[in-house]
Amino acid sequence: DTGVSQDPRHKITKRGQNVTFRCDPISEHNRLYWYRQTLGQGPEFLTYFQNEAQLEKSRLLSDRFSAERPKGSFSTLEIQRTEQGDSAMYLCASSPGGHEQFFGPGTRLTVL
Amino acid sequence: GDSVTQMEGPVTLSEEAFLTINCTYTATGYPSLFWYVQYPGEGLQLLLKATKADDKGSNKGFEATYRKETTSFHLEKGSVQVSDSAVYFCALSIWNYGGSQGNLIFGKGTKLSVKP
Repeated sequence: DTGVSQDPRHKITKRGQNVTFRCDPISEHNRLYWYRQTLGQGPEFLTYFQNEAQLEKSRLLSDRFSAERPKGSFSTLEIQRTEQGDSAMYLCASSPGGHEQFFGPGTRLTVL
Repeated sequence: GDSVTQMEGPVTLSEEAFLTINCTYTATGYPSLFWYVQYPGEGLQLLLKATKADDKGSNKGFEATYRKETTSFHLEKGSVQVSDSAVYFCALSIWNYGGSQGNLIFGKGTKLSVKP
């Protein structure tokens, strides 16, 4: 399968714990985006990478959120000291440039 | 700021009924417009797109026309099927001469249920 993959698909954690999600984009897509989707809402943009450079991170929800794409291939999104309000679906999308983005299945985070 | 407003759901239709889901937008720059669909338990899939005014996007019997004068991009299908039951999202991305990150701005989504 050559689509965007995300791991894990589901994560349950306790408040205060750190979590890390991984996204593997479509091979050779140079742009990678992270979004958050809460129940009943559309996805909300968080950050994006052009190759390994993080070109926008001001939309990250707080300084507890960080993302990396160390070699311009896969990316990780980390949330430190999780809070119940962080419970959501975290989506990754990749793009070869241009208008179209291809989404992964998402990681559903539940913070107890 | 840039935003998308789409009709609230849920929308419930009988099979073979006509579907319209309204979408309007507010944007600076030159937006491209999209409809994404999310089937139960699956990720977002691009349904159709239009990149400039008066363009019509179409796919799987769905259509939407980019209307700059009314800032709208309404989704239509002449005869829905049970398999069309899903959540539909209208979205835009902005491309400026100065360069753009190209992130998508989504509406809240409209849930469609089609009954046999």
